[in-house]
Amino acid sequence: KQEVTQIPAALSVPEGENLVLNCSFTDSAIYNLQWFRQDPGKGLTSLLLIQSSQREQTSGRLNASLDKSSGRSTLYIAASQPGDSATYLCAPTETSYGKLTFGQGTILTVHP
Amino acid sequence: EAQVTQNPRYLITVTGKKLTVTCSQNMNHEYMSWYRQDPGLGLRQIYYSMNVEVTDKGDVPEGYKVSRKEKRNFPLILESPSPNQTSLYFCASSPRTDTQYFGPGTRLTVL
Repeated sequence: KQEVTQIPAALSVPEGENLVLNCSFTDSAIYNLQWFRQDPGKGLTSLLLIQSSQREQTSGRLNASLDKSSGRSTLYIAASQPGDSATYLCAPTETSYGKLTFGQGTILTVHP
Repeated sequence: EAQVTQNPRYLITVTGKKLTVTCSQNMNHEYMSWYRQDPGLGLRQIYYSMNVEVTDKGDVPEGYKVSRKEKRNFPLILESPSPNQTSLYFCASSPRTDTQYFGPGTRLTVL
């Protein structure tokens, strides 16, 4: 059974810092991996999707990397802003029909 | 606008009173899923559907039913809700193993 761990559980940084969120998963037989953002009481917004054949994916200030063989992914956020404050969730897709297994998330607070 | 909609967004009900949470997507996606989110347990898949009339259990299917009679709709049915089904529910859709799009969530309280 796939298990996903995200470290750290919570992170508080001043505005402008670059930061790294870590995700590890136990079963490397994945189709892809998604990073999501969740604001309090809200739904999930997909940030990046990395296919299993890719090493990294970039969108604006976000960069996600994937090392499938070692079961690790990182989300790099450059020049953090208060609007980045949210919970970030990592979810590998482990089946052909798109089943996601979620980590517990990293709660990010960026203070001005 | 491409989106996944859920209704109702908030629901308070009593034990045993049957309820349905609707989910609809306008992106012609084949795959749809239901998840529940609980503090300390994270998001867990309840049921999924690969296409019309094709559904299967996820990790926590007990106490739930689903149907997929049309491609765009995937309702979640609680035949006899119990307090342990109090949770935040999300519907998601995707075109196979691609980006998944989530609905806004339904907060259910069963008294």
